[in-house]
Amino acid sequence: EAQVTQNPRYLITVTGKKLTVTCSQNMNHEYMSWYRQDPGLGLRQIYYSMNVEVTDKGDVPEGYKVSRKEKRNFPLILESPSPNQTSLYFCASSPGGRAGSEQFFGPGTRLTVL
Amino acid sequence: RKEVEQDPGPFNVPEGATVAFNCTYSNSASQSFFWYRQDCRKEPKLLMSVYSSGNEDGRFTAQLNRASQYISLLIRDSKLSDSATYLCVVNLMNTGFQKLVFGTGTRLLVSP
Repeated sequence: EAQVTQNPRYLITVTGKKLTVTCSQNMNHEYMSWYRQDPGLGLRQIYYSMNVEVTDKGDVPEGYKVSRKEKRNFPLILESPSPNQTSLYFCASSPGGRAGSEQFFGPGTRLTVL
Repeated sequence: RKEVEQDPGPFNVPEGATVAFNCTYSNSASQSFFWYRQDCRKEPKLLMSVYSSGNEDGRFTAQLNRASQYISLLIRDSKLSDSATYLCVVNLMNTGFQKLVFGTGTRLLVSP
């Protein structure tokens, strides 16, 4: 089954404790992206990647890191999480950068930073 | 001004009603347009693309007005299962690759 998977789905952590949220897709998509969703603000892009070893900042990259060593995986790293990073996070992938291509989303990771 | 603006709702309608949502976007260079559906606490899923000539998919009709920079979604004969948040999404081409800009969504509640 074609899908985007994220782990963990739920995480409660404390300020400053490094964490990684994994994202994997099995559709051989070039483009992958991370979003956060907050009430009243909608989905905002954190980082995106056009292909292996090619990543760039989105609209809200501060406090996050990403890497793209393999085509299928795009982990999101919070080196020192803070309470303002409490949010619902979605990973997404699409077949390329061309306009009009659908993005496929993972099920989401609900993160709480205390 | 937000890049993509939607009325947050909620729109409360009875089953069988027709309901319309509008969305405006600020960047005239926007390339393509979509409506995504998001159920509570779940991932967004593509509902339909929006084409310049307008397009229909069953009970759903999407329209685009480039001159006025707005997009609409019409749902006819509403079902209980249509209850969800509808996200207006605009695709900006950024250095040759796409960037999707999401509206905050319009919530629809269909009641028996």
